[in-house]
Amino acid sequence: DAGVIQSPRHEVTEMGQEVTLRCKPISGHDYLFWYRQTMMRGLELLIYFNNNVPIDDSGMPEDRFSAKMPNASFSTLKIQPSEPRDSAVYFCASSLRPGGANEQFFGPGTRLTVL
Amino acid sequence: EDQVTQSPEALRLQEGESSSLNCSYTVSGLRGLFWYRQDPGKGPEFLFTLYSAGEEKEKERLKATLTKKESFLHITAPKPEDSATYLCAVRGADSSYKLIFGSGTRLLVRP
Repeated sequence: DAGVIQSPRHEVTEMGQEVTLRCKPISGHDYLFWYRQTMMRGLELLIYFNNNVPIDDSGMPEDRFSAKMPNASFSTLKIQPSEPRDSAVYFCASSLRPGGANEQFFGPGTRLTVL
Repeated sequence: EDQVTQSPEALRLQEGESSSLNCSYTVSGLRGLFWYRQDPGKGPEFLFTLYSAGEEKEKERLKATLTKKESFLHITAPKPEDSATYLCAVRGADSSYKLIFGSGTRLLVRP
């Protein structure tokens, strides 16, 4: 199994530009999570999906952030317009079910730098 | 509000020097406490889930324990390859499937 795949691995952009981060979850996993990790705030959940439907987006910082999951094998996190304070590592994770062992498998992350 | 505090922030050990990492938590109705390992430039890797006070789990040199207020990750005779950041997270009864993460403990094991 290839695990959770994220692209790009690194993104450098200028303030005001649109940024799209991509994630392919592990095949068969019903839940997909988007996290953001910074030195100041640690690892924070932004949004999660169940069967392609957004369940909880209370962690999305503001309207500039949006996430979609058009099918079971693909999700995007979009920031428009981007700001320097959005600079962070963004992780995607998937799990078979959040209950039980709740083992979430994380991707390698996308390091975003907004200049 | 669910909260997780990890200590120490950083820990340096000599190879073979056993120690423990602490995770203190406040949560309304614990549904699980989770330990993850994170290597530089990588995503967190799942280690353990604990559900109730008194529960213990082991994996190689690592042993996780749980009380009603905290969890410990004991590292016995660590090796340099155990160097990583160890993250603790909790899921509470009111938080649906959210995991609330602590800020982590950066462990460095010197040969």
